[in-house]
Amino acid sequence: AQSVTQPDIHITVSEGASLELRCNYSYGATPYLFWYVQSPGQGLQLLLKYFSGDTLVQGIKGFEAEFKRSQSSFNLRKPSVHWSDAAEYFCAVGSGNTGKLIFGQGTTLQVKP
Amino acid sequence: EAQVTQNPRYLITVTGKKLTVTCSQNMNHEYMSWYRQDPGLGLRQIYYSMNVEVTDKGDVPEGYKVSRKEKRNFPLILESPSPNQTSLYFCASSRGIGVYNEQFFGPGTRLTVL
Repeated sequence: AQSVTQPDIHITVSEGASLELRCNYSYGATPYLFWYVQSPGQGLQLLLKYFSGDTLVQGIKGFEAEFKRSQSSFNLRKPSVHWSDAAEYFCAVGSGNTGKLIFGQGTTLQVKP
Repeated sequence: EAQVTQNPRYLITVTGKKLTVTCSQNMNHEYMSWYRQDPGLGLRQIYYSMNVEVTDKGDVPEGYKVSRKEKRNFPLILESPSPNQTSLYFCASSRGIGVYNEQFFGPGTRLTVL
């Protein structure tokens, strides 16, 4: 069955430090992979996506993610975190022809001043 | 401004009292869907619609109904809400059906069923 796992429920980093959020997926075919961010009281905003091609994808707000097929991973990174990055982050895989997104459990990022 | 709107944003109700959460998009999108978000479970799809009058079940459809009479609107109906439907609900829309079409999410509706 298709699934997405985000091993870290909660992560705290200091402002200016680097960030890596982990995502592992289980999907039979070539996956369509996404990272979304949910700020408090807001809907989900797409950060970046991977469909094919270059395995390192750039997104908005200075985020990037690397697709590693051998590890079934799609980890999200940012070199220097800002206080405004505090939010909940969701990794998702697109499923088949129905347009459905299968989400991970989410990782809450706290940024220390 | 292109957006997905949901109403109400917050709702507290009692078991068994029918309610409707509205969802509207102004982007002329064909595809719309509903998700519920629960702690530790992420978002799970409830229902989706590929176009007017075309709807289908997602992963957790029990206790919910939807309709798609107009392209812009996709209401979520709980005919007899129960406490296990207490959740945060998101509506989403996209231009087309495939997952390569970016999905735009509404701000969410927090529902509490007592």
